[in-house]
Amino acid sequence: DIQMTQSPASLSASVGETVTITCRASENIYSYLAWSQQKQGKSPQLLVYNAKTLAEGVPSRFSGSGSGTQFSLKINSLQPEDFGSYYCHHHYGTPWTFGGGTKLEIK
Amino acid sequence: QVQLKESGPGLVAPSQSLSITCTVSGFSLTSYGVHWVRQPPGKGLEWLGVIWGDGSTNYHSALISRLSISKDNSKSQVFLKMNSLQTDDTAMYYCARGGLDYGYCFDYWGQGTTLTVSS
Repeated sequence: DIQMTQSPASLSASVGETVTITCRASENIYSYLAWSQQKQGKSPQLLVYNAKTLAEGVPSRFSGSGSGTQFSLKINSLQPEDFGSYYCHHHYGTPWTFGGGTKLEIK
Repeated sequence: QVQLKESGPGLVAPSQSLSITCTVSGFSLTSYGVHWVRQPPGKGLEWLGVIWGDGSTNYHSALISRLSISKDNSKSQVFLKMNSLQTDDTAMYYCARGGLDYGYCFDYWGQGTTLTVSS
């Protein structure tokens, strides 16, 4: 199975800052990488798929990049509603696997 | 409007079996895949498996011997069955639709149903 390694596990940042979360796949997954956001007590929501395509309604301050085994999610000018947990997962064949998650907290 | 809603037993004793139902509306199960994902308390997400529109299934490698996903298209229901439950199966269980326009990624999620495995 493809292993997904996400870093950092936690991140503290202030409103207005720019942050980057990275995800590494154990083998080439081309661009089959997605990012989801989960707020406390809520179901996850899709942010990015195919490594860089924003899901409908996702603000443009979010951007995804990467291919092969190295990927990143960048959030420009953090807003209060951006705090929560972020997960990458690959969608290159099955079984799908998630990264361990990144908890983004307010500084 | 697309909706998914999980329903399950809440509490199951160790070594027993589990059945959770995901009832969907606003789309046809013959056209979309439905995934199951779980999340232990305070931990990350774990993909369990998927049933595609054609009825084929794929499962988490380590759980394949304990898992079964099926569906009833006419009732718009998807079923997750897991046997030989242990305490580390305690988690929130979600169903999620695989969006055709989103690389088959999860475009809609249910609210989740909590499962506690305890005697």
